Amino acid sequence: GQNIDQPTEMTATEGAIVQINCTYQTSGFNGLFWYQQHAGEAPTFLSYNVLDGLEEKGRFSSFLSRSKGYSYLLLKELQMKDSASYLCAVRDPPYNTDKLIFGTGTRLQVFP
Amino acid sequence: GAVVSQHPSWVICKSGTSVKIECRSLDFQATTMFWYRQFPKQSLMLMATSNEGSKATYEQGVEKDKFLINHASLTLSTLTVTSAHPEDSSFYICSASDDRDRFTDTQYFGPGTRLTVL
Repeated sequence: GQNIDQPTEMTATEGAIVQINCTYQTSGFNGLFWYQQHAGEAPTFLSYNVLDGLEEKGRFSSFLSRSKGYSYLLLKELQMKDSASYLCAVRDPPYNTDKLIFGTGTRLQVFP
Repeated sequence: GAVVSQHPSWVICKSGTSVKIECRSLDFQATTMFWYRQFPKQSLMLMATSNEGSKATYEQGVEKDKFLINHASLTLSTLTVTSAHPEDSSFYICSASDDRDRFTDTQYFGPGTRLTVL
């Protein structure tokens, strides 16, 4: 079956660093995405990993290990506006090259 | 770039009526668009994949006769919820990937439509 696991909730302090983990078990793999979603809004694209390693983009970095079925999103210098849900999604290609399977999301609360 | 719009942003309707939601890619062409549904505090669930010029592909458990999808052009897909009932109340979100982006095929999401059925 298809399974993507993330912690349900996390809290952190403004200015700190937080790591959100994602583990996946899917029948196929063709890339992993991280999205940010504020309450009541649509998800916005943060990062994409298809090869093992770290992708850095400003304050956000994402890591992928395909052999371990594992990814994490690293947020540095946390700001209050980073309070949101973070969705891990795996592209599963067998029937549709673009189909994304989403995890349940991690709700991050940043406190002053 | 990569802007996706949805209309309406929210709608309230009576039980038994039909509601049409539009999804447009504003600055790119999208042969494929996707429709998701999201219940409160839950993640996105893919309902169907919309393909321009052909029939949509529905996920298991999604009634194709209830959720009609029409992808009439490379920039427009519509989702019609027919004979809506209160249990159809949800946040409906569409996404699209730019036809030119054959490497990442990143999906860009619309702002969502909140449907409330009374």
